[in-house]
Amino acid sequence: DIQMTQSPSSLSASVGDRVTITCQASQDIINSLNWYQHQAGKAPKLLIYDASNLETGVSSRFSGSGSGTDFTLTISSLQPEDLATYYCQQYANVPWTFGQGTRVDIK
Amino acid sequence: QAQLVQSDAEVRKPGASVRVSCKASDYTFSSYGISWVRQAPGQGLEWMGWISVNNGDTNYAQKLQGRVTMTTDTSTGTAYMELRSLKSDDTAVYYCARVNWADLLGYNYYYMDVWGQGTTVTVSS
Repeated sequence: DIQMTQSPSSLSASVGDRVTITCQASQDIINSLNWYQHQAGKAPKLLIYDASNLETGVSSRFSGSGSGTDFTLTISSLQPEDLATYYCQQYANVPWTFGQGTRVDIK
Repeated sequence: QAQLVQSDAEVRKPGASVRVSCKASDYTFSSYGISWVRQAPGQGLEWMGWISVNNGDTNYAQKLQGRVTMTTDTSTGTAYMELRSLKSDDTAVYYCARVNWADLLGYNYYYMDVWGQGTTVTVSS
């Protein structure tokens, strides 16, 4: 199975800050990576697909980059509604696997 | 707007089975797949498997092989996930999600773009 490792596991940042979350795959997955936002009590929400494509309707504050084994999710200006846990997920091989999640708190 | 509505919460004893339903609306059901993802208390997201609605092909997570079955009913636009021989660590919120996918020569994508609201399954004696 492909292991996905996110860092950091959690972070706390102020409104307006630029936030970066990284995701590393245990083998080359080309660009077969999605990012999801999961807010407490809600269903997960797709943010980015194919490593860098913004899902329709998602704020342009969110962006994704990377290829191969190293990927990044960036929130350009953190907002209060961004309080959530963020997950990367690879689909290069079955089983699809998620990272362990990065919890984002607002200072 | 595409929507997935899941069945209500379930409580089962260890060793029993559970079937969760996921009804799709406002999109062409057979043009997408359905994936199932669960989240145990205090844990992250765990992919369980997915089914291609148009041909019924399935892929399951190895750890669930033999205990899980995913099916669809195209006449009603409903997907089902059955989990058998339940254990206490199957206690989780179970989500269905629409899989937007294409597998073309040299290029493919799979992403879960519409999610159900989640179904809590509690396994307890």
